[in-house]
Amino acid sequence: SQTIHQWPATLVQPVGSPLSLECTVEGTSNPNLYWYRQAAGRGLQLLFYSVGIGQISSEVPQNLSASRPQDRQFILSSKKLLLSDSGFYLCAWDSGTDTQYFGPGTRLTVL
Amino acid sequence: TQLLEQSPQFLSIQEGENLTVYCNSSSVFSSLQWYRQEPGEGPVLLVTVVTGGEVKKLKRLTFQFGDARKDSSLHITAAQPGDTGLYLCAGGTNTGGFKTIFGAGTRLFVKA
Repeated sequence: SQTIHQWPATLVQPVGSPLSLECTVEGTSNPNLYWYRQAAGRGLQLLFYSVGIGQISSEVPQNLSASRPQDRQFILSSKKLLLSDSGFYLCAWDSGTDTQYFGPGTRLTVL
Repeated sequence: TQLLEQSPQFLSIQEGENLTVYCNSSSVFSSLQWYRQEPGEGPVLLVTVVTGGEVKKLKRLTFQFGDARKDSSLHITAAQPGDTGLYLCAGGTNTGGFKTIFGAGTRLFVKA
């Protein structure tokens, strides 16, 4: 069966510090991968998606970037965090069909 | 721009009551998913519906996809406190590349 992992689960970072969130998927090959941000109690904002290694599409221009160095690894990064980067970050995958499956999320607080 | 509107945004009910949550769009979707999310966790898939008019049941939850594949509803019978959470609908579209559109969610609180 397929599983998706995210780490860290929680992160508290000062403004201006770098960020690296990691997402890995097991049990499937060549998945589509997604990064979302969710404000408290709200819907999902798509940040990036990737259909293959090294292929990244950005949905919203911002302070963040994404990379896919391996087939089942998706990384969300920032060189300098802003207060507005605080939120709940979710990684998701699908196999090219409609249904996406989500990781457990990372709670990021920027102080 | 394709949008999915969910209503109501917030619902607080007593244990044992019935409720319906709606997900509407002016666009046609190839499929529609419902997710449930608890605080601090990722959304968990409840169901995928793909055929217009399709009805799926998951214990006390009944999901329906509109005949025109533009809307969906989630009905919960005899709600329980364990049903509390954020319910998200998502529509799949394969126009211009495959994409999923998410609604803003309905926050349900069931009081014991």
